[in-house]
Amino acid sequence: QVQLQQWGAGLLKPSETLSLTCAVYGGSFSGYYWTWIRQSQGKGLEWIGEINHGGSTNYNSSLKSRVTISVDTSKNLFSLNLTSVTAADTAVYYCARDRHYGDFDYWGQGTLVTVSS
Amino acid sequence: QTVVTQEPSLTVSPGGTVTLTCASSTGAVTSGYYPKWFQQKPGQPPRALIYSTNNRHPWTPARFSGSLLGGKAALTLSGVQPEDEAEYYCLLYYGGAEVVFGGGTKLTVL
Repeated sequence: QVQLQQWGAGLLKPSETLSLTCAVYGGSFSGYYWTWIRQSQGKGLEWIGEINHGGSTNYNSSLKSRVTISVDTSKNLFSLNLTSVTAADTAVYYCARDRHYGDFDYWGQGTLVTVSS
Repeated sequence: QTVVTQEPSLTVSPGGTVTLTCASSTGAVTSGYYPKWFQQKPGQPPRALIYSTNNRHPWTPARFSGSLLGGKAALTLSGVQPEDEAEYYCLLYYGGAEVVFGGGTKLTVL
């Protein structure tokens, strides 16, 4: 049974860096892309980016300049950094496993990140 | 900016049938967009239902089916149950790792 468990700071000030981590339990860590998705009231669900176990990444072009996704294969976890956050980055952030072209079959529980001064 | 459009809301009676659709601003949706469908209930992450147009995940009830209909991706619920009341999102793949979610359809079972 695959489980994704995520954690990170939930309250940030504008211009700070958002950092979240997602640990994968069960199943294989290789052979998939590991993904970050966010959900806000204003913009709905938005794909942020992904990484595979070899460290190859793809990012949403609208966030690319601020996003870094990294992986630690020794611990089966991956992380999201989003720099220079603003109120527009307030959202619930999810990690998920991508089987193929956006087939996100397992999800983390979600982390509400609020950006407020 | 690619936009994926879904009906904002639909209402269906218990036991009835309803079809949700998913359109792309780029033109007709084909199997090459690998359409997917997700169900989300309040306070929960989305749950994958359908992938690659019409394939169910092991946990997806048989009353959920996916198809292509009139240039759109479609999700049909047959024999709707009260627990099917939820928000439904489609997702399309545009190549180069770009995927775009639809705005969601709020399904009410009444």
